[in-house]
Amino acid sequence: QVQLVESGGGVVQPGGSLRLSCVASGFTFSTYGMHWVRQTLGKGLEWVAFIRNDGSNEYYADSVKGRFTISRDNSKNTLYLQMNSLRTEDTAVYYCARGDFSWGLGTMVTVSS
Amino acid sequence: DVVMTQSPLSLPVTLGQPASISCRSSQSLVYSDGNTYLNWFQQRPGQSPRRLIYKVSNRESGVPDRFSGSGSGTDFTLKISGVEAEDVGVYYCMQGSHWPPWTFGQGTKVEIK
Repeated sequence: QVQLVESGGGVVQPGGSLRLSCVASGFTFSTYGMHWVRQTLGKGLEWVAFIRNDGSNEYYADSVKGRFTISRDNSKNTLYLQMNSLRTEDTAVYYCARGDFSWGLGTMVTVSS
Repeated sequence: DVVMTQSPLSLPVTLGQPASISCRSSQSLVYSDGNTYLNWFQQRPGQSPRRLIYKVSNRESGVPDRFSGSGSGTDFTLKISGVEAEDVGVYYCMQGSHWPPWTFGQGTKVEIK
């Protein structure tokens, strides 16, 4: 079955950087576009970024444009999210999701001084 | 961006009784291919979201038939024909017709009275 396992979350100071990873299994990774979606504690869901199956196009929420970069390595079945210039409002659980919105378990990112 | 508005935001239900959640979009979700990309997700406490319904009314494999989706254009409904204890959680609608961004409703918390 579809498995998506995120890692790389942690505590970082404002202005800092983190790189999230998501390892996929149970399906042909290279045939699916992939998303990152975040959820602030006790609040709702916010779509963050999407990348096409072949990496040819990337799309971002306005709130992260210019600071976050989505990428993928189809040879490693892995999705990435490079997060720079982090702000306190980026604190959330970050989920990777397959294009049809099968979700991973999530990884927590806390931005705090 | 398409704004998704759910109601109610909190829904106390007696076990075995029906429940209904409304989701309205700020513009029609009919895509150029004729499909309407409206999804419903369930998030149980402590778990990742799980897609229940896609394209308005199609149940994911393994989703009990007490869950049904309906609607068209800008008005959509998720119904649970008889709420069970395992249905407690937060339900989100999400549109994928006008992207980016993909946008979610605020969530409706279903709890047992």
